[in-house]
Amino acid sequence: AQSVSQHNHHVILSEAASLELGCNYSYGGTVNLFWYVQYPGQHLQLLLKYFSGDPLVKGIKGFEAEFIKSKFSFNLRKPSVQWSDTAEYFCAVNWGYGGATNKLIFGTGTLLAVQP
Amino acid sequence: DTEVTQTPKHLVMGMTNKKSLKCEQHMGHRAMYWYKQKAKKPPELMFVYSYEKLSINESVPSRFSPECPNSSLLNLHLHALQPEDSALYLCASSQESYNEQFFGPGTRLTVL
Repeated sequence: AQSVSQHNHHVILSEAASLELGCNYSYGGTVNLFWYVQYPGQHLQLLLKYFSGDPLVKGIKGFEAEFIKSKFSFNLRKPSVQWSDTAEYFCAVNWGYGGATNKLIFGTGTLLAVQP
Repeated sequence: DTEVTQTPKHLVMGMTNKKSLKCEQHMGHRAMYWYKQKAKKPPELMFVYSYEKLSINESVPSRFSPECPNSSLLNLHLHALQPEDSALYLCASSQESYNEQFFGPGTRLTVL
């Protein structure tokens, strides 16, 4: 079955520290990859996405992610976090080119707390 | 307009009540979704509408009944809910089913 795993459930960092959050998906084929963020009390927002092309994608707020096909991974990075990055981060994957039964599978999420 | 709007923001209902959640988007998206989210958990897919037709029902109990009156609107009719149905109900839309989804702010539902 299709699945998405996020290894870090809870991460605590100090401001200016570097961030890397892991995301792996169950198997290959054509994949579309996403990272979403949910700030406290706010709705889910798209941070970045990968469909094809350059495997290093840049998103909003200084985030980037690297798609490594051989490792079935799509890790999220930020060189220097800020207190305002405190949020829950979800990796999500859908397989294929759509169709009526295509759906997005979410990872379990990583709660990031940035200490000032 | 790049928003998905949901009403109401909060809803408290008894187990015998009937209520509806509403979702609207004006981005011309052809796929719309209902998700359920419990605290500190990822969204769980409930229903997918593609081109106004129900394409996925994730074995959701019949006390939840979706409706897509037109390409911009999505409703979720609720009847005889249980306390364990209390959660944040999220609506989302996307251009096609494989594109990025845009999420609404959700309706916080409490079932007493």
